[in-house]
Amino acid sequence: GAVVSQHPSRVICKSGTSVKIECRSLDFQATTMFWYRQFPKQSLMLMATSNEGSKATYEQGVEKDKFLINHASLTLSTLTVTSAHPEDSSFYICSALSRGTGNTIYFGEGSWLTVV
Amino acid sequence: DAKTTQPTSMDCAEGRAANLPCNHSTISGNEYVYWYRQIHSQGPQYIIHGLKNNETNEMASLIITEDRKSSTLILPHATLRDTAVYYCIVRVAISGSEKLVFGKGTKLTVNP
Repeated sequence: GAVVSQHPSRVICKSGTSVKIECRSLDFQATTMFWYRQFPKQSLMLMATSNEGSKATYEQGVEKDKFLINHASLTLSTLTVTSAHPEDSSFYICSALSRGTGNTIYFGEGSWLTVV
Repeated sequence: DAKTTQPTSMDCAEGRAANLPCNHSTISGNEYVYWYRQIHSQGPQYIIHGLKNNETNEMASLIITEDRKSSTLILPHATLRDTAVYYCIVRVAISGSEKLVFGKGTKLTVNP
């Protein structure tokens, strides 16, 4: 299957600072990427849909000014958690749509964010 | 909201087939059935998908009922590494932009 890479896999930041997570499609171009968050023992919750060259579409209840998404190229989307607080600590996962393999969506390895 | 219903948990003996059911009674004609699994602290892994015909790949088989209201994912010879949460998701694939909405999935435990 197609490969999606996330970086960093783990990050610890201080409360009030911002942190950026990168999501790359390594062997295919992804016009659409998705960002999820997952709390312990819960399912994945979709945060936003990221489209290359346009603004992201956020799910209801997700603050777009807090979770900045940029999809500047066909292989890279970034999620920036601004003014992070401890309650933002979570597992963040990106995924990318691969049109070349039957419009299947592939996921990255996830990024653990801990805000202290 | 997720459009599928799955059992919360299942157990399977190592080496035996694991059959994971999924109900999707409101599935539309252009919606595919996708299966993913998530091993603890990792991103979900794509397993298989299908529209109405049964599908098989190197990981699993997908059996979809004729009325398409339910399906079964079959892991033919489960191993301990197949212990994971398995998610059944319906999604329109033709447009290519439909998002994946995850339900709670089935936690499969493969026992020695």
